[in-house]
Amino acid sequence: GNSVTQMEGPVTLSEEAFLTINCTYTATGYPSLFWYVQYPGEGLQLLLKATKADDKGSNKGFEATYRKETTSFHLEKGSVQVSDSAVYFCALLSGGSNYKLTFGKGTLLTVNP
Amino acid sequence: GAGVSQSPSNKVTEKGKDVELRCDPISGHTALYWYRQSLGQGLEFLIYFQGNSAPDKSGLPSDRFSAERTGGSVSTLTIQRTQQEDSAVYLCASSPDRDRTEAFFGQGTRLTVV
Repeated sequence: GNSVTQMEGPVTLSEEAFLTINCTYTATGYPSLFWYVQYPGEGLQLLLKATKADDKGSNKGFEATYRKETTSFHLEKGSVQVSDSAVYFCALLSGGSNYKLTFGKGTLLTVNP
Repeated sequence: GAGVSQSPSNKVTEKGKDVELRCDPISGHTALYWYRQSLGQGLEFLIYFQGNSAPDKSGLPSDRFSAERTGGSVSTLTIQRTQQEDSAVYLCASSPDRDRTEAFFGQGTRLTVV
């Protein structure tokens, strides 16, 4: 079956630090990959996505590259801000059930000033 | 409205009571999903509606859970005889049929069973 494994948190960084949150997946076929973000008190929002191998998704300074050879979709940002503090979820959409998102367990990021 | 709307935002209920959770999807979105977010369990798929097709109920954890979608729009998730393990945040999402790769989520209903 499909599964997503992401780096366990919590992750605590100082402002302007470099961020990496690792995500690897297991899936049948050729999944689409996503990062969702949940800010405090808010709902899940799509942060970025990539639908095929070697695609790079980017948004708000965050990037993730779809690596089929390593089945990975690591999230990176060169300089985090306090406002990036949130829970980040890696997810995939795959196979015959191409509507069920499979999520990782989430990584809590706290950025201190 | 501009986004997916869920009500109530918080619900506290006594064990054994029934609860109904409501979801108003984005207008024009044909696909609607329910997920459950539990502490330590992450996000679990519950049920999926697409247009007039039969829903995919494969994620419902027990027969105490049911959902319906009336008129292809509003959906209600019903939990009968609630148990403490049902305590979680219930999330609704919708997506346009033309692009199922983007699901728009509501803010969720936090259910606490005491």
